[in-house]
Amino acid sequence: AAGVIQSPRHLIKEKRETATLKCYPIPRHDTVYWYQQGPGQDPQFLISFYEKMQSDKGSIPDRFSAQQFSDYHSELNMSSLELGDSALYFCASSSTTGLETQYFGPGTRLLVL
Amino acid sequence: AQSVTQPDIHITVSEGASLELRCNYSYGATPYLFWYVQSPGQGLQLLLKYFSGDTLVQGIKGFEAEFKRSQSSFNLRKPSVHWSDAAEYFCAVVMYGGSQGNLIFGKGTKLSVKP
Repeated sequence: AAGVIQSPRHLIKEKRETATLKCYPIPRHDTVYWYQQGPGQDPQFLISFYEKMQSDKGSIPDRFSAQQFSDYHSELNMSSLELGDSALYFCASSSTTGLETQYFGPGTRLLVL
Repeated sequence: AQSVTQPDIHITVSEGASLELRCNYSYGATPYLFWYVQSPGQGLQLLLKYFSGDTLVQGIKGFEAEFKRSQSSFNLRKPSVHWSDAAEYFCAVVMYGGSQGNLIFGKGTKLSVKP
């Protein structure tokens, strides 16, 4: 079965640079979630989209923005990167908001030097 | 506020032994509960979920979990652990109330398996 696809899988950036992470949800899933997992930490919710509209916002820094496109893929844009942004970024998708199970992608590992 | 507590940071069991990972939640209504497993450097794989109905739910890889409302618990169990089960296990609850279903995770329990 098709899974959530994330690209790139690994990314190395310098401080103050920008990064764009991409997420392709499972086909026919209309909701996308972004999570950040710091080293040795649990995943923290950043932001979610339903039918291309932002549906909820968590602990996402103002330097980050995201959107969901007409084909339901989503991009997380990160600017003015800081060392503390080094983390594993997960995208998850579900078929409806709320009750449906979230399926996670493999993650993008971002290292900021 | 909704929260999930996993009291055990690290558990070591012998291969073939039984396993129970604890999870307690704090939530004002009937929760929707999940267990995910994460191997080092990998994504989160869903083991099982509880929405309603039978309080004992079966998952993949021989795992099961029991929802106990009176104890606000959703403990994960496996009768016989395999070396490949070594990983980190996260309990999670879906948060509602103005939100659209983002997951709140516990801090995780790291499972080590002795030969």
